[in-house]
Amino acid sequence: RKEVEQDPGPFNVPEGATVAFNCTYSNSASQSFFWYRQDCRKEPKLLMSVYSSGNEDGRFTAQLNRASQYISLLIRDSKLSDSATYLCVVNMARGSTLGRLYFGRGTQLTVWP
Amino acid sequence: SAVISQKPSRDICQRGTSLTIQCQVDSQVTMMFWYRQQPGQSLTLIATANQGSEATYESGFVIDKFPISRPNLTFSTLTVSNMSPEDSSIYLCSVDGGSGTGRIQYFGAGTRLSVL
Repeated sequence: RKEVEQDPGPFNVPEGATVAFNCTYSNSASQSFFWYRQDCRKEPKLLMSVYSSGNEDGRFTAQLNRASQYISLLIRDSKLSDSATYLCVVNMARGSTLGRLYFGRGTQLTVWP
Repeated sequence: SAVISQKPSRDICQRGTSLTIQCQVDSQVTMMFWYRQQPGQSLTLIATANQGSEATYESGFVIDKFPISRPNLTFSTLTVSNMSPEDSSIYLCSVDGGSGTGRIQYFGAGTRLSVL
């Protein structure tokens, strides 16, 4: 089983739609969680961290369910500029070290006019 | 945030040759990371480059194939040795931008490698 699993999509939605991405992780000792965005032929960039209480940044809402080892990202009122691949990223502890990041395969989103 | 310059941005290489990728950061960082992203796949960590010590390689990656240098706190190189078409990929360097367990990473723009 992979450390981080995502539905690869693609998701094709019209402008203004609400879309949700899901992600599961395998290690219950995981410490921190993120969503990254990767545009075509570009490097990944941090979109938002995911906190246990859930957090919102404008049109983006991230939620974490530690019991189910599940992370979600909700995008409301989709814009054309939201078209990208969204990577679920988990920091997994390794003994006493800070751990390392594990990346999901990414979920591809295309927003059409 | 950190500004990372990576070069070359792309290269086309012949089988059996080697390519060295450079990564320069605008601030001093303890650890730098090298990732590979194969077509349609996510990022896979190759190794962690530590200043003043040997790089730490992940399972499936060896120093002979991917030698790494880390001469100072702002610079690292990754060499892809004796290349084959299977090495065609995007190679990215990154650094930690967070503190504690934050582990936010900033990435260079990547090197797109094609091996013929």
